[in-house]
Amino acid sequence: QKEVEQNSGPLSVPEGAIASLNCTYSDRGSQSFFWYRQYSGKSPELIMSIYSNGDKEDGRFTAQLNKASQYVSLLIRDSQPSDSATYLCAVPKAPRDDKIIFGKGTRLHILP
Amino acid sequence: SQTIHQWPATLVQPVGSPLSLECTVEGTSNPNLYWYRQAAGRGLQLLFYSVGIGQISSEVPQNLSASRPQDRQFILSSKKLLLSDSGFYLCAWRGPGQPFFGSGTQLSVL
Repeated sequence: QKEVEQNSGPLSVPEGAIASLNCTYSDRGSQSFFWYRQYSGKSPELIMSIYSNGDKEDGRFTAQLNKASQYVSLLIRDSQPSDSATYLCAVPKAPRDDKIIFGKGTRLHILP
Repeated sequence: SQTIHQWPATLVQPVGSPLSLECTVEGTSNPNLYWYRQAAGRGLQLLFYSVGIGQISSEVPQNLSASRPQDRQFILSSKKLLLSDSGFYLCAWRGPGQPFFGSGTQLSVL
């Protein structure tokens, strides 16, 4: 099983709708989770981090973590064309490990 | 605030030539430093990781090496580049939280 898995997409969402991006991870002991956005040809930029079960909201973004099911998701409300990018999920390779492993990313396309 | 510098932005090198990419971090001390590679259409692959001067962990056996001669300097090198070394190379640093990335180097080996 891959350590961090994401659907590669592309995921097409109409402008103004909610985009839902999912990520599953293999290590039950993982305690920190990160979502990055990457535009083509650019470096990833951090959107959110989440450490506890439940939801964490920041503006139009909500991260959801379910450690029992080993998944973390990112919701984008009121999707805008500028949200079109690849979204990367990242998890430490092992609990308390500083080696951060990334999923392959989900390409999101917001339809105007 | 912390900043991370990575250069050059683009690089075209012939097969068999050497490589040296440099990354420096400002505004923090004793950061964890990382080198990632992203091949075309693929995810971020962790290449090297360092927790301090002279301490390098290699994640993937390959044609590359890394060094950390100073606390805030991380260098990626190769003696002889292969075609398969082409990709987008990213340096990142991490303090007590999430990793932050430099602007990256797009390397094309021809």
